[in-house]
Amino acid sequence: GAVVSQHPSWVICKSGTSVKIECRSLDFQATTMFWYRQFPKQSLMLMATSNEGSKATYEQGVEKDKFLINHASLTLSTLTVTSAHPEDSSFYICSAPGDRGVSYEQYFGPGTRLTVT
Amino acid sequence: SQKIEQNSEALNIQEGKTATLTCNYTNYSPAYLQWYRQDPGRGPVFLLLIRENEKEKRKERLKVTFDTTLKQSLFHITASQPADSATYLCALVYSSASKIIFGSGTRLSIRP
Repeated sequence: GAVVSQHPSWVICKSGTSVKIECRSLDFQATTMFWYRQFPKQSLMLMATSNEGSKATYEQGVEKDKFLINHASLTLSTLTVTSAHPEDSSFYICSAPGDRGVSYEQYFGPGTRLTVT
Repeated sequence: SQKIEQNSEALNIQEGKTATLTCNYTNYSPAYLQWYRQDPGRGPVFLLLIRENEKEKRKERLKVTFDTTLKQSLFHITASQPADSATYLCALVYSSASKIIFGSGTRLSIRP
């Protein structure tokens, strides 16, 4: 099956710094990737849709200047949390749709645990 | 806005029994309804997909039903095992929106 990786798997940073999270599709191409945030014991909240070669589409309430998304190739999307604050501490997960399109199964990365001190 | 409710935050059953999880939604029926499994600290893993014109779908010990009249999907695990313990998420896909909306999940525990 298709594999999606994320790097790093966990990161601790100081308040005010920026953190970049990478999402890679290892054995398939993904023109679209999705970024989610998950707080403890809560469900996945879609933050934005990353589109290869064009601007990301952000969900309502998500600050695009704070969560910068770049989808520069068919296998890589990055999420940069700028000027991170403790309230940004969360589990960030990316996904990419299978080759039959977005309506079918999503392949999820293992997630990145961000802790802002 | 669309709401999805998985009406059991946690479910605890005896090994060997059938686990039944519920997913209810409001407003419009989705084109597809999916079920995922998520283990602690990991990303979700796809299990099953059912289309709005399908009533039931099976895969090994898993069975999913979809009732667009009741706006409900049921997810069954037969002959449950402790290894089935995880959080199960239902997700709705609306073909017009091309994105997935997740429910809050049900944490299933199977005791030996």
